[in-house]
Amino acid sequence: AQTVTQSQPEMSVQEAETVTLSCTYDTSESDYYLFWYKQPPSRQMILVIRQEAYKQQNATENRFSVNFQKAAKSFSLKISDSQLGDAAMYFCAYRGTYNQGGKLIFGQGTELSVKP
Amino acid sequence: AAGVIQSPRHLIKEKRETATLKCYPIPRHDTVYWYQQGPGQDPQFLISFYEKMQSDKGSIPDRFSAQQFSDYHSELNMSSLELGDSALYFCASSNLAGLQETQYFGPGTRLLVL
Repeated sequence: AQTVTQSQPEMSVQEAETVTLSCTYDTSESDYYLFWYKQPPSRQMILVIRQEAYKQQNATENRFSVNFQKAAKSFSLKISDSQLGDAAMYFCAYRGTYNQGGKLIFGQGTELSVKP
Repeated sequence: AAGVIQSPRHLIKEKRETATLKCYPIPRHDTVYWYQQGPGQDPQFLISFYEKMQSDKGSIPDRFSAQQFSDYHSELNMSSLELGDSALYFCASSNLAGLQETQYFGPGTRLLVL
């Protein structure tokens, strides 16, 4: 069975600085998708970024980028120029292909605080 | 852009009562997923539907049932509610036929069982 592990329950960053959130996963599949979701205090689940396993190029969305290391099964999220609005719980998630069920498997989450 | 709609947003029930949660996916999305997030927990997959057929099943109690209707909206029916069912219930949708693998989440329904 696939698993996702986030080993950092809490992280803190100074406003305007850069922070990296770690995520590792375990799967025997070669085709899958990885996501980072943000959950602010409103508890809405907001997609931050996605990565297809077959793509070697790391995904980037404005200030958010990932470091995808397929062999190491690592998928970290880098937030540049951190803003107060980035404060939230961040979940790493794995999704197999539809033939694998298609459900999201989440890590335990990392609570990010941003200091002004 | 239209988002996933869930109703009600908040629900308070007594033990042993029943509850029905509704989900309206993004237009043209054919797949619906249900997740349960307990306090301080990560979301756990319950069940999913593709083109009105159940496509996958997770850790959903036998007291719960769900279906997807012809207009693609979905309902999660919960009976004999227990205190431990208090949680945030998310619905997410995607467009599998359009090869869109990303799941977009609704705002969730907060269920409190007293």
